[in-house]
Amino acid sequence: GENVEQHPSTLSVQEGDSAVIKCTYSDSASNYFPWYKQELGKGPQLIIDIRSNVGEKKDQRIAVTLNKTAKHFSLHITETQPEDSAVYFCAEGGGSNYKLTFGKGTLLTVNP
Amino acid sequence: SQTIHQWPATLVQPVGSPLSLECTVEGTSNPNLYWYRQAAGRGLQLLFYSVGIGQISSEVPQNLSASRPQDRQFILSSKKLLLSDSGFYLCAWRGGNYGYTFGSGTRLTVV
Repeated sequence: GENVEQHPSTLSVQEGDSAVIKCTYSDSASNYFPWYKQELGKGPQLIIDIRSNVGEKKDQRIAVTLNKTAKHFSLHITETQPEDSAVYFCAEGGGSNYKLTFGKGTLLTVNP
Repeated sequence: SQTIHQWPATLVQPVGSPLSLECTVEGTSNPNLYWYRQAAGRGLQLLFYSVGIGQISSEVPQNLSASRPQDRQFILSSKKLLLSDSGFYLCAWRGGNYGYTFGSGTRLTVV
C-alpha cells in the first residue's frame, strides 16, 4: 500500500534561517504532491503543491522540489518568521484511487 | 467559490452517547468527501471517503459510521461513543486537481 515517510518530526530554527522538510513515498503511480500547514486548533491549509511533470516550484519564501526517480520531495522555507511556526504535512496522491496519503507531520518552531 | 462548513467546533460527550458531526460543501457538485481523525500525535488518519451519494468507503474498522444523504453533505456518526473516540475530526473535499480543502475541524472530547 501507499506509504509516506516525513522527516524530521520536529524542527526548531532561528528567525531568518531556512527550514527544510523531506518526504519519501512508495507509490510509483503518484503524480501529485501537496504540502499543508496546520496551525493550532485549525484545519490544514494547502500552501504549495507540485505535479510530477515539474521538478521545482516556488512561491515567494516557500519552494518544493521533487525527485521522482528517487521518490522523494522536499519543502523549503527561506527567511523564516515566527508566524511560520506550525505543523507541516506532506502528502502524495493521484494514483489509481481518490485518496491522498499524508506524512505524520513536522512541528516547526521559529524562534524570534 | 467553494467553501466547506463543519460543525460543531467543539463537543464534549459522555461515554455511550450518540454522535453526529456534519459537513457541507458549497460551490461545487459531486465532490469527493473525506473524514479524517487527528489524535494527539498529529497524524491524519483517513476514516471514510465518499465519491457520490450513498457511496461510503471505510478505511479502518472502528466505532464510527458515515453517510452521504445529499451530494454535498457528509455525516459522521456513532451510536455509542468510546473514550478512544476523542480527537480532532476533519472533513475535506477534493476538487478536480486532486487537492484537498479541509474544514475547520471538530474537537471531540468523550468523558
